[in-house]
Amino acid sequence: DAKTTQPNSMESNEEEPVHLPCNHSTISGTDYIHWYRQLPSQGPEYVIHGLTSNVNNRMASLAIAEDRKSSTLILHRATLRDAAVYYCIQAPFTGGGNKLTFGTGTQLKVEL
Amino acid sequence: EAGVTQFPSHSVIEKGQTVTLRCDPISGHDNLYWYRRVMGKEIKFLLHFVKESKQDESGMPNNRFLAERTGGTYSTLKVQPAELEDSGVYFCASSQLVSGADTQYFGPGTRLTVL
Repeated sequence: DAKTTQPNSMESNEEEPVHLPCNHSTISGTDYIHWYRQLPSQGPEYVIHGLTSNVNNRMASLAIAEDRKSSTLILHRATLRDAAVYYCIQAPFTGGGNKLTFGTGTQLKVEL
Repeated sequence: EAGVTQFPSHSVIEKGQTVTLRCDPISGHDNLYWYRRVMGKEIKFLLHFVKESKQDESGMPNNRFLAERTGGTYSTLKVQPAELEDSGVYFCASSQLVSGADTQYFGPGTRLTVL
């Protein structure tokens, strides 16, 4: 069962930054925070992941709260192609077999 | 580098028939996962292979589902006999490591419709 909570939907305008929040209040010290997204009619796609420190890659940034009970995925300039369902997932470093537990995610709508 | 591929992309069968889905992981990835999304529900884990061995099959719904990965390369998921509630999208994913720090790469999915 999903251990994270996210808003059902969010809207953004194209070329504006988007901050997608996630709460993971039951996270343990060795759980990683992963973000995946699913575009229409495609399989989930990896976006970013982190443990404690903030992370940046070419797709997005991940800001992790100091107590690690929440995180925010940041898309710096949303495009129409970023319209997707975004999933925040807690993944144990070991022992969990790395199976991903998907929740309902956040449906991001991007408008011109 | 080729990504995860799945075949077929769509399958429509009648209740009681058999269907076999295939997944080819990224070359060199020892870990292979099956997930599925049934109508209106969340994506759910089915099982995990490490090479040819089943590491975790806790998500398999019942014994009508049989997954194999002979030789530790591609995998098949057979549903026999198919029931209406098996309709949904079946995703395959692969990864190099079995760790919460690793990334899973997903295929495009197979849409199964059972009539």
